[in-house]
Amino acid sequence: GAVVSQHPSRVICKSGTSVKIECRSLDFQATTMFWYRQFPKQSLMLMATSNEGSKATYEQGVEKDKFLINHASLTLSTLTVTSAHPEDSSFYICSARDSSREPEQYFGPGTRLTVT
Amino acid sequence: AQSVTQPDIHITVSEGASLELRCNYSYGATPYLFWYVQSPGQGLQLLLKYFSGDTLVQGIKGFEAEFKRSQSSFNLRKPSVHWSDAAEYFCAVVRRDNYGQNFVFGPGTRLSVLP
Repeated sequence: GAVVSQHPSRVICKSGTSVKIECRSLDFQATTMFWYRQFPKQSLMLMATSNEGSKATYEQGVEKDKFLINHASLTLSTLTVTSAHPEDSSFYICSARDSSREPEQYFGPGTRLTVT
Repeated sequence: AQSVTQPDIHITVSEGASLELRCNYSYGATPYLFWYVQSPGQGLQLLLKYFSGDTLVQGIKGFEAEFKRSQSSFNLRKPSVHWSDAAEYFCAVVRRDNYGQNFVFGPGTRLSVLP
């Protein structure tokens, strides 16, 4: 149990376009979902925390107008990278938390974004 | 501020040798501690976790870790490494703040295994 999926696994987009990444909890309800960014050979950095039905909370230095997060249901959160630029190229990982099993988080397989 | 350090950026061991990966944390309250493994281009797999109780924790794939409060450490060990253990290993600590229980990850240790 506690499986989290992400779609797509890889995406290439042109500079200036927007791309949406989906994160789904498959077998549990996720009251909270998290979005991380991982640059090559680096650790995971938390970008934002989203609670179902409310606005996301962004970490310092993360542009909320660029990285739009929607957590519209207990099983789905989306991250939209708007007006993407090459420096946004990264590995994006989501995680989900089941409120009955805090503080554990369950991680998705990640999405590789390449902006050309 | 809470932080997690993994002093070793890269470790190379021979297959069959023992392994210890170090993790130290800075945290003002009782921490929740995790070890994850990540293969290239993949997500994170949980190896083990410590919440409370017995300070020696057993995990998957033959890994274990010991929580030492006096040293603020949670080192990961394996008695005999297999070639398939080559990967990136991350220690993580759960911090508490106004927004809930968020993970803080260490910088990672890359493990290479020699045949």
